[in-house]
Amino acid sequence: GNSVTQMEGPVTLSEEAFLTINCTYTATGYPSLFWYVQYPGEGLQLLLKATKADDKGSNKGFEATYRKETTSFHLEKGSVQVSDSAVYFCALSAPGTGGFKTIFGAGTRLFVKA
Amino acid sequence: GAGVSQTPSNKVTEKGKYVELRCDPISGHTALYWYRQSLGQGPEFLIYFQGTGAADDSGLPNDRFFAVRPEGSVSTLKIQRTERGDSAVYLCASSPLGQTYNEQFFGPGTRLTVL
Repeated sequence: GNSVTQMEGPVTLSEEAFLTINCTYTATGYPSLFWYVQYPGEGLQLLLKATKADDKGSNKGFEATYRKETTSFHLEKGSVQVSDSAVYFCALSAPGTGGFKTIFGAGTRLFVKA
Repeated sequence: GAGVSQTPSNKVTEKGKYVELRCDPISGHTALYWYRQSLGQGPEFLIYFQGTGAADDSGLPNDRFFAVRPEGSVSTLKIQRTERGDSAVYLCASSPLGQTYNEQFFGPGTRLTVL
């Protein structure tokens, strides 16, 4: 079946450090891939997406590239800020019974220190 | 515009009781999803509606869980004979018709606590 595995947290970084959060997936067919973010006290929101192999999703300085050969979608940011502290979820969406089903990873909590 | 809303935001109940959780999707969104998120975990798929019908209910854990969407808009998740293990945040999400990549818009969730 479809699944998503992401690196365990928490990840603690100093401001302006480089961020990588690893995500790998297992899926039949050609899923779309997503990173969602959950800021403290807020609901889940889409951060970025990629819908086919070699696509790069980007938003707010974050990037992730859909790598079909390594079944990966790692999240990166060159210089994190305190305001990036949140929980990040990697997810895939693939055709299932009757429509699309989205599968989420367990989430990675990021703490950024000033 | 208005986002996805969920009521109540918090629900505390006793073991064995019946609860209903409500979701108001974004106007015009035909697809509606329910998820359950336990502490420290990602959202776990429960059920997906396309219009009024449940297109995929494979994530409902057992027959105590049921969801309806009678007019293709508001949805209610119903849990009978609640158990302590049902305690979690229940999330609702909606998406518009025609997306091939299925971006979902999430509500703030209902935190259910079963004592």
